[in-house]
Amino acid sequence: SQTIHQWPATLVQPVGSPLSLECTVEGTSNPNLYWYRQAAGRGLQLLFYSVGIGQISSEVPQNLSASRPQDRQFILSSKKLLLSDSGFYLCAWSILTGDGNTIYFGEGSWLTVV
Amino acid sequence: AQSVSQHNHHVILSEAASLELGCNYSYGGTVNLFWYVQYPGQHLQLLLKYFSGDPLVKGIKGFEAEFIKSKFSFNLRKPSVQWSDTAEYFCAVNEGRDDKIIFGKGTRLHILP
Repeated sequence: SQTIHQWPATLVQPVGSPLSLECTVEGTSNPNLYWYRQAAGRGLQLLFYSVGIGQISSEVPQNLSASRPQDRQFILSSKKLLLSDSGFYLCAWSILTGDGNTIYFGEGSWLTVV
Repeated sequence: AQSVSQHNHHVILSEAASLELGCNYSYGGTVNLFWYVQYPGQHLQLLLKYFSGDPLVKGIKGFEAEFIKSKFSFNLRKPSVQWSDTAEYFCAVNEGRDDKIIFGKGTRLHILP
């Protein structure tokens, strides 16, 4: 069965410091990969998605970037964190099948920028 | 561009009451529709999904949703809620066979024992 791992689970970083959140998927090949941010009252905001190695689509221009160096690895980064980057970040994966495109989520990472 | 609107941000019900959470989407073509649930302290789980066929979809834990194409709606229902249904519920839409999945802002459901 497929599993998704995301780390670290919690992170406290000072303003201006870099960020790296990592996500890996096991048990499947060539998944679509996603980064979402969840904020209270704002639902899940799609930040980036990727349909293959090195292919990144950005949905919201901001202080973050994403990379996909390997088929089942997706990384969310920032060179200099802002206070507004605080939030709950979710990695997710999906496979496009005859039934469509169902997305499955990791357990998330809490980022607090201080 | 796709968008998803959930009308109720916070719903409070007593146990055994009936539930209906509204969801509307903006895209006029073929869509795949989802409801996800996030119980307190847990990660997001798929509750049910619609891809094609019978517009009345049954999911886990007694939930169902009805796709009404003419109304661009996919409302979630449960005839009799339980205290354990306290959670946040998210509606989501995927445009045809596109890769993006867009979520609504969520509805917090609080069930009084």
